[in-house]
Amino acid sequence: SQTIHQWPATLVQPVGSPLSLECTVEGTSNPNLYWYRQAAGRGLQLLFYSVGIGQISSEVPQNLSASRPQDRQFILSSKKLLLSDSGFYLCAWRGIASNQPQHFGDGTRLSIL
Amino acid sequence: AQTVTQSQPEMSVQEAETVTLSCTYDTSENNYYLFWYKQPPSRQMILVIRQEAYKQQNATENRFSVNFQKAAKSFSLKISDSQLGDTAMYFCASAGNAGNMLTFGGGTRLMVKP
Repeated sequence: SQTIHQWPATLVQPVGSPLSLECTVEGTSNPNLYWYRQAAGRGLQLLFYSVGIGQISSEVPQNLSASRPQDRQFILSSKKLLLSDSGFYLCAWRGIASNQPQHFGDGTRLSIL
Repeated sequence: AQTVTQSQPEMSVQEAETVTLSCTYDTSENNYYLFWYKQPPSRQMILVIRQEAYKQQNATENRFSVNFQKAAKSFSLKISDSQLGDTAMYFCASAGNAGNMLTFGGGTRLMVKP
């Protein structure tokens, strides 16, 4: 069966520091991969998605970037964090067929001080 | 572009009773997909049920069922025999034909009371 791993679960970082959140998927090949951000008490906002290695689509201009160095690895990064980057970050994967649902990781709670 | 609206920020229901959560959406695509996700306090996002727009039959998963009204662009979730473990945020979401742009509503916080 397929599983998705996301880490760390919690992260506290100072303003201006770099960020690297990692997401990996097991049990499937060539998944579509997604990064979402969820503000407190709100719905999810799609940040990036990837349909293959090295292919990244950005949905919202921001301080963050994403990379997909391997088929089942998706990384969310920032060179300098802002206070507004605080939130709950969720990684998700989906199979190739467009009618398949997205499956989410457990999320990372990021607090910027 | 797609929009999803959940007009009930909070709802409560007594254990074992039935509750319906509302969702309306708007899309310009001819084919699309609709989902309900549940987010308990643990913050995991869990798929509850999905509906493909070209299917007229309403989807059902155990105690969860939907009322899909395509003309009205309505996609409500009915939870029967509510259980304490159903307490969570519920998000309605839609995806276009390519499936990548999953658009979420603002969520409904459901509290199941003993």
